[in-house]
Amino acid sequence: SAVISQKPSRDICQRGTSLTIQCQVDSQVTMMFWYRQQPGQSLTLIATANQGSEATYESGFVIDKFPISRPNLTFSTLTVSNMSPEDSSIYLCSARFTSSGANVLTFGAGSRLTVL
Amino acid sequence: RKEVEQDPGPFNVPEGATVAFNCTYSNSASQSFFWYRQDCRKEPKLLMSVYSSGNEDGRFTAQLNRASQYISLLIRDSKLSDSATYLCVVNNYSGYSTLTFGKGTMLLVSP
Repeated sequence: SAVISQKPSRDICQRGTSLTIQCQVDSQVTMMFWYRQQPGQSLTLIATANQGSEATYESGFVIDKFPISRPNLTFSTLTVSNMSPEDSSIYLCSARFTSSGANVLTFGAGSRLTVL
Repeated sequence: RKEVEQDPGPFNVPEGATVAFNCTYSNSASQSFFWYRQDCRKEPKLLMSVYSSGNEDGRFTAQLNRASQYISLLIRDSKLSDSATYLCVVNNYSGYSTLTFGKGTMLLVSP
């Protein structure tokens, strides 16, 4: 099965700073997805990272706050800019893979961010 | 009405018990459905897809009721290792696929 690696796995940051999360996939994928999971909340899609074009952001998320890079078909980064305590969350990278004929959304282990 | 709604639980059951979770969805045009499992401090992982005719995978049975817009997950002979949060996921397609996640139902299986 496909493997998605994320780093850092966790970090504690000061407000006002920025953090970049890296996501590496062990096979080429067209789209990669960045989700946020705040405590007690459901997973929320931040944006879809497309190779060769700008990321597509969901309602409530903007590029200035969450810039995304997608330099090739196996790698993406998400930056959380000018952080505040409200950004404390788990950030998850994901991609779709075909498994037994089905299209399965697979997640990285997540990056747990705490903003002080 | 929330797009995907689940009872957050926790459901506390003894080993060997049978437990069922429901999940309701608001978009009648939703096309596919999934149950994911999320262990504490881990990423969600696909447990099973939910087919229109219902499907079974070992001790797990998933069913879909389109008329009432809900899906269910039944776990028989609960194991301690079944303790986790179970996420209901609904896929809507309108030019592109959009997955909507429920907040999850927590299951605690005790000895």
